[in-house]
Formats: sequence, structure tokens, C-alpha cells
Amino acid sequence: NAGVTQTPKFQVLKTGQSMTLQCAQDMNHNSMYWYRQDPGMGLRLIYYSASEGTTDKGEVPNGYNVSRLNKREFSLRLESAAPSQTSVYFCASSAQGTAPYEQYFGPGTRLTVT
Amino acid sequence: DAKTTQPPSMDCAEGRAANLPCNHSTISGNEYVYWYRQIHSQGPQYIIHGLKNNETNEMASLIITEDRKSSTLILPHATLRDTAVYYCIVRVAGGGSQGNLIFGKGTKLSVKP
Repeated sequence: NAGVTQTPKFQVLKTGQSMTLQCAQDMNHNSMYWYRQDPGMGLRLIYYSASEGTTDKGEVPNGYNVSRLNKREFSLRLESAAPSQTSVYFCASSAQGTAPYEQYFGPGTRLTVT
Repeated sequence: DAKTTQPPSMDCAEGRAANLPCNHSTISGNEYVYWYRQIHSQGPQYIIHGLKNNETNEMASLIITEDRKSSTLILPHATLRDTAVYYCIVRVAGGGSQGNLIFGKGTKLSVKP
């Protein structure tokens, strides 16, 4: 199992450009998440998808859109990148249910917006 | 959501036990205590979780006080590879927004030779 994979690993954008960050998991998990991490800070939730076909806003959704393409894939789109979106982006997935469960994280995408 | 308080940094000698404290005095009865760690530049890694009882797995032990207002993560024989930021998180089981992880700044553990 590859677990959670993210592409690209690094990206540099100019202000106003758009891009899509890709995430895929092979653990048959129902729930997927996108976080951002700024230097010296903890992770903050951007969007999440509790199950295929649903998406919800997290703590910091402004400037982002998401698509749950199927059960495996959850993409994050920046329509018009801004320097404030320079960050490391992590995707995660988890099982879903009434029992406690852990989240599995991908390796991250390091994005710089100039 | 219950908030957690952790010391910003701690040092530990290699081979010794690392004891990382976490205060969660406002924890609710249905909230679990989770620990994750983040090794430099990598995605966070799940370590352990518990509700009331002490828990142990191959990575660590989790000691939760009887009143559940605080907990301690114990790495029994710390190695240099355990140098990381450790996050203590409380949340309910199950899905929905209440089940989402809320990361604070964590404790930066430095294991020294």
C-alpha cells in the first residue's frame, strides 16, 4: 500500500495563477482532508470530505475549492494564488464510523506564491 | 472543542524515557485524547489514543489521569529519530466536523546523544 500520495511535491506560482493539488489514498477510507501548515504553526483544516460526494469547509477555506472525484481522490484548487497561500499542504484520510480512528497523512506539497 | 496545553519544547537524553505532558482540563466525557507527531518536513504520524484507561502500543504509552484533565505520552527509550513535534489533541469519536483534528503548536522534543 502506498497510503496517501500527493502531487506535486513542490510548486512555485506567480500571484494570480491557478493550480490543483492532487491527493489519492489506497486504504479504502471514506473521509479525506486538506490541511495547510505555515512556518512554526500547527496544521489548520481547509476542507474535508466525510464521504464520497460530500465536502465541507474547515477552519480556513477562503481562496480554495475542493473536489471529491471518487472515493480514492480528493483535489484542492487554488483559483487565483496569493502570497498568503504560501504554505505546506497536507492531505489526509481516515476510516469513518462511530469508533475512534486515526488520520493518515501524505508527505505534503510545498507551495510558494511569489 | 476542548483545548490542550503543552510545553513548547523539551529535551531528552538518548536511551532515556521521554515524558510529554498535556493539559486538557475542559475535556468532555465523550472526547478521546490523541497523540500525533511530526518529524521535520513530513506529514503528521498517529501515535496512540485513549479515553479513560492507560494505553500502550509498540510506539508509546499513554497515561491519563483519573479525572481525565491531563495526560502524559511516554516514549520508553527515546532515540534520535524520535526528535519531532508532538501534538496532543482531544476530539470526539466518529465523523462530522466534531471529529476533525485541531492541531495546536505542540511540544518540540529534542533527543540528544
